[in-house]
Amino acid sequence: DAKTTQPPSMDCAEGRAANLPCNHSTISGNEYVYWYRQIHSQGPQYIIHGLKNNETNEMASLIITEDRKSSTLILPHATLRDTAVYYCIVSLSSNDYKLSFGAGTTVTVRA
Amino acid sequence: GAGVSQSPSNKVTEKGKDVELRCDPISGHTALYWYRQSLGQGLEFLIYFQGNSAPDKSGLPSDRFSAERTGGSVSTLTIQRTQQEDSAVYLCASSPPGQGTGNTIYFGEGSWLTVV
Repeated sequence: DAKTTQPPSMDCAEGRAANLPCNHSTISGNEYVYWYRQIHSQGPQYIIHGLKNNETNEMASLIITEDRKSSTLILPHATLRDTAVYYCIVSLSSNDYKLSFGAGTTVTVRA
Repeated sequence: GAGVSQSPSNKVTEKGKDVELRCDPISGHTALYWYRQSLGQGLEFLIYFQGNSAPDKSGLPSDRFSAERTGGSVSTLTIQRTQQEDSAVYLCASSPPGQGTGNTIYFGEGSWLTVV
């Protein structure tokens, strides 16, 4: 059973914000929302994670709804190098290392 | 410091041969993971090492696959009598001990294995 649902693809104009949605309606109270991305021919790269509060780091912002059933990853100023597959996953805070990446969202940033 | 390092980056081998893939985790990281990713597919968990605890081998697809971690650092994934369906990217990852706000996993670039 897929724990998260993401759109298969989306396009974004260079320099604009990219908003990537993720539904995780069955998330449990102690599960975190993680975002990774995978640029072609490279290993997955950690982006950000959160539990309840919105989070921001140098790469992105994560907005989690109050009921925690969905979240949005925001890339504030997309560049061509942000073209990648973006994965939203839910994971426990510890020992849930059997990560399951679904199909993700293929984001294409266009000049 | 350096990230997770894997070698070889690319390996082409003949069916039936054995291969060894190496992973150097980030210094200080106690947890080490191996995953497999076939073309266009998601990640498939293989094996997990945490400190001196017994590894979780539940993801290994067959007894042709084995892995060891020496001295709590470097790990080797061995595939014996390789088959064409073993062709994939083998990803190693590591994470630091005891993060209070979730386990952030850092991946290497992968070892691309092609069995011909």
